[in-house]
Amino acid sequence: DQQVKQNSPSLSVQEGRISILNCDYTNSMFDYFLWYKKYPAEGPTFLISISSIKDKNEDGRFTVFLNKSAKHLSLHIVPSQPGDSAVYFCATNYGQNFVFGPGTRLSVLP
Amino acid sequence: DGGITQSPKYLFRKEGQNVTLSCEQNLNHDAMYWYRQDPGQGLRLIYYSQIVNDFQKGDIAEGYSVSREKKESFPLTVTSAQKNPTAFYLCASSKGLAGTYNEQFFGPGTRLTVL
Repeated sequence: DQQVKQNSPSLSVQEGRISILNCDYTNSMFDYFLWYKKYPAEGPTFLISISSIKDKNEDGRFTVFLNKSAKHLSLHIVPSQPGDSAVYFCATNYGQNFVFGPGTRLSVLP
Repeated sequence: DGGITQSPKYLFRKEGQNVTLSCEQNLNHDAMYWYRQDPGQGLRLIYYSQIVNDFQKGDIAEGYSVSREKKESFPLTVTSAQKNPTAFYLCASSKGLAGTYNEQFFGPGTRLTVL
């Protein structure tokens, strides 16, 4: 049973518009969340994180929102650029391990 | 430059042969990890190590073995017992183990194909 879920396998967005990637988790004890971006045949790179004491964290074009009561977080990319086209993984850092979602493939169309 | 290196990038082996994937980091990180990624799937943890000479099984350790003789190095051996070894293998490291607000840094990956 997946502890971190990303229910949209893929998402297409027009260049310049907002991309919203969603992530749900099952364990209310998770208290630190991360987003990674991955290009084909490369390792994931860290994008942004948020701890449970916050409900929002912003870094340039990337903002992560955390809704603890709904056990839901989302990554907003504004404005979206073609170079943002990649697979995005939501992850949590809990206990002795990191747990990753299955990923969402974002395609930003020019 | 600090980072994680994995070699080789592409590896081909015949069925029944053991193969060892290299992972080296110069970030002075204590914790290191091996993941496997299959098409359309997320990252699945094979093994992790918090400290030299210590390592723990992850979710899919069967058919794999590791060693951690040096802080910088965490090689993964894919044995002939691994039923479906063809995959993309990722090595990662972090300053400390999960639960301490660390992010992981990943290597570029090794694509293993067993013929």
